Amino acid sequence: QVTLKESGPGMLQPSKTLSLTCSFSGFSLSTSGMVVSWIRQPSGKSLEWLAAIDWDGDKYYNPSLKSRLTVSKDTSNTQVFLKITSVDIADTATYYCARTIAAISDYWGQGVMVTVSS
Amino acid sequence: ETTVTQSPASLSMAVGEKVSISCKTSTDIDDDMNWYQQKSGEAPKLLISEGNTLRPGVPSRFSSSGYGTDFVFTINNVLLGDEGIYYCQQSDNVPYTFGAGTKLELK
Repeated sequence: QVTLKESGPGMLQPSKTLSLTCSFSGFSLSTSGMVVSWIRQPSGKSLEWLAAIDWDGDKYYNPSLKSRLTVSKDTSNTQVFLKITSVDIADTATYYCARTIAAISDYWGQGVMVTVSS
Repeated sequence: ETTVTQSPASLSMAVGEKVSISCKTSTDIDDDMNWYQQKSGEAPKLLISEGNTLRPGVPSRFSSSGYGTDFVFTINNVLLGDEGIYYCQQSDNVPYTFGAGTKLELK
């Protein structure tokens, strides 16, 4: 059974760095072709693909946010992390991680709400 | 970056009717289009993936067609449980962009 769960700070102040964790089970990120992606969704709005990391450690970023994003994974290949630097109100959203194979995100976590506020 | 233009923004349908949602892309993406359903308070659920492939467990009432830049998602015999927001997403090139969504309400 594939499951993913996101965790994060809930709320943080503008200009700080947002750190998110995706903990997953039911698949191995060391398997060839496996990818974990990050997608976010501001309340009432559409989805925005942010970044991804694959089984080989290759990283992919949304060019519009690339300078602020860092995706990484742990050595045991059971967690993936996303850092967003210099957050502002526009980064307020629900953040999802998803298992992705051949660019298709088939299993998603429940999402974690992040509010940027002073 | 490929822009995905989805229409209509909302639909109000009666049970049993046929639903059609359109997505047009700014670049040729072959058949690399995915369709998601999102119910209130939940994560998106993948219904149809590239090549108009129905995902396991998804009823055959759901289907899609299209290639290149024009795509259509269809629900035949729509049911009350189909209420939610539907999104298309292109998976041809990074960043994998989404449409703005179509909110489906049942009368």
